[in-house]
Amino acid sequence: DIQMTQSPSTLSASVGDRVTITCRASQSISSWLAWYQQKPGKAPKMLIYKASTLQSGVPSRFSGRGAGIEFTLTISNLQPDDFATYYCQQYYRHCSFGQGTNVEIE
Amino acid sequence: EVQLVESGGGLVQPGRSLRLSCAASGFSFGDYAISWVRQAPGKGPEWISFIRGKAYSGTIEHAASTRGRFSISRDDSTRIAYLQMDDLQTEDTAIYYCTSGEDYYDFRSGSYRGTMFQFWGRGTLVTVSS
Repeated sequence: DIQMTQSPSTLSASVGDRVTITCRASQSISSWLAWYQQKPGKAPKMLIYKASTLQSGVPSRFSGRGAGIEFTLTISNLQPDDFATYYCQQYYRHCSFGQGTNVEIE
Repeated sequence: EVQLVESGGGLVQPGRSLRLSCAASGFSFGDYAISWVRQAPGKGPEWISFIRGKAYSGTIEHAASTRGRFSISRDDSTRIAYLQMDDLQTEDTAIYYCTSGEDYYDFRSGSYRGTMFQFWGRGTLVTVSS
């Protein structure tokens, strides 16, 4: 199974900040990676797929980069609505999620 | 508008079975992979299983954690997907989500890929307890 490791587990930030979350795969997954945002009591919402393609309707302040084993999700100009938990997910072989990164208010 | 509506959750005793349903609307159901993802209280999401669309013959993939106890199926004529869960254990307690996403075949390597979870239902809670 492919293991996905996110860092950091928790990130404290302020409105207007630029934040970056890292996701590392236990083996190369090419660009078969998606990012999700989840708020308490809600289902996750897909933000990015194919490592860097923005899902329709997702604000352009979200961006994804990377290929192979290391990937990043960057949120520029952090907004109040962006405080949430973020997960990466590989779909190179089967599917597996990272453990999550909680973006909290500093 | 894409809608996925799960049903069939509830309280069940260890060792018993439960079948979840997912009713879909708003998209070409047969053309997409349908997956089940669960989330235990306070934990991250965990992929359980997916079934590919008709272009890939509805082939199925299961996570190792539930293989042999859980089985997925779909009925494209009624636009409903199912998750049959047998021999339920307390650690299966979770919200179970139905999701849809594109199928992928990597022509460069000649391999099927997994799927991403583009649309989600609201989930149905399964509680396994005596």
